[in-house]
Amino acid sequence: QSALTQPASVSGSPGQSITISCTGTSSDVGGYNYVSWYQQHPGKAPKLMIYDVSNRPSGVSNRFSGSKSGNTASLTISGLQSEDEADYYCSSYTSSDTWLFGGGTKLTVL
Amino acid sequence: QLQLQESGPGLVKPSETLSLTCTVSGGSISSSPYYWGWIRQPPGKGLEWIGISRYSGSTYYNPPLQSRVSISLDTSKNQFALRLTSVTAADTAVYYCARKRACSSSSCYGFDYWGQGTLVTVSS
Repeated sequence: QSALTQPASVSGSPGQSITISCTGTSSDVGGYNYVSWYQQHPGKAPKLMIYDVSNRPSGVSNRFSGSKSGNTASLTISGLQSEDEADYYCSSYTSSDTWLFGGGTKLTVL
Repeated sequence: QLQLQESGPGLVKPSETLSLTCTVSGGSISSSPYYWGWIRQPPGKGLEWIGISRYSGSTYYNPPLQSRVSISLDTSKNQFALRLTSVTAADTAVYYCARKRACSSSSCYGFDYWGQGTLVTVSS
């Protein structure tokens, strides 16, 4: 199983919106609505931001939203803030009853 | 508030077995709808899912690791453990324990509680 494909880096200015893509196959992202997104600040554990493509856990800002089209899922962050600067990872359930992570995307807030 | 805490040796010799424990507080690992799992992150790299296990006995492992890995639950201590055999330098990583709710007919959730992580270095 290869990791899901994410851009290595994205950037945006405060107040802007950015989108991070996550591309898989019909055996994972495209086959199930079970994509989740995690935020990881340096030296910290990942934090669940989105599950089941577009659901936010309690306490996560509504500036974070998720979507999916075909084999590609996306995380959008609107109204960028400095504290959003972090690494972001997507994850998907697979047809093998396993979970697959993306390679991660470093978000820089300019 | 649920808390998870990893513990174990920070240094393991090549070809030996890596053993880590995750102690759970604020909740029971025998709670029905939850899986308890391990994820690792090599220094400077991305996350890799290792596997999950549930009190009911259901267990799933990452295929590339399946021949070397096992996850076990100890309900008397409210802990779960990771065992990875025949380690090499490629197994050097920060190891996280985490909780995930079992999938229902309409939802598969995500890993919602994580430990702080523990660095394990494989070196002679």
